[in-house]
Amino acid sequence: NAGVTQTPKFQVLKTGQSMTLQCAQDMNHEYMSWYRQDPGMGLRLIHYSVGAGITDQGEVPNGYNVSRSTTEDFPLRLLSAAPSQTSVYFCASRAEGGRGNEQFFGPGTRLTVL
Amino acid sequence: GENVEQHPSTLSVQEGDSAVIKCTYSDSASNYFPWYKQELGKRPQLIIDIRSNVGEKKDQRIAVTLNKTAKHFSLHITETQPEDSAVYFCAALNTGNQFYFGTGTSLTVIP
Repeated sequence: NAGVTQTPKFQVLKTGQSMTLQCAQDMNHEYMSWYRQDPGMGLRLIHYSVGAGITDQGEVPNGYNVSRSTTEDFPLRLLSAAPSQTSVYFCASRAEGGRGNEQFFGPGTRLTVL
Repeated sequence: GENVEQHPSTLSVQEGDSAVIKCTYSDSASNYFPWYKQELGKRPQLIIDIRSNVGEKKDQRIAVTLNKTAKHFSLHITETQPEDSAVYFCAALNTGNQFYFGTGTSLTVIP
């Protein structure tokens, strides 16, 4: 199993550009989430999904969109990039309930917005 | 929502000594509390977790304690080694299926 994969690993954008960060998992996990990690602030939840076709907002959703058309994929879209979105982005997945609380993280995407 | 506070933000210990990191949470309905270790440039890795119906859990040199009444939980690392140096994060899972993270503790183990 590849686990949770993310692409790209690094990205530089100009203010106003849009892009999609890709996330995929091959563990058949129901739950998937996107976090951003900024220095001194830990990880903050952007959006999450409890299954295909279902998404919800997390702590810091503004400026980001998500969709979940399949169990495996959970892309994160930046609509119009801003310097405040410079961060490291982590995707994570976990199974549903019970022993499924353990989250598995992808390797991260380091995004710089100029 | 939930609010998780973590202390200290930095911690230096001599090799072989113990390290303790503490977290508090605000939502009494939160029911799962993991601890992650993150090395520089890497993804967070789960090192130990505890559920709300358990008071203590141990795995070799690592232990976690939970006080539901006081809404705090702690990570204990005994016999620290240089490879324990990393950033450690606590988190709480609320009933809304959302994880809230502490702001991290940078642990340095001095050989």
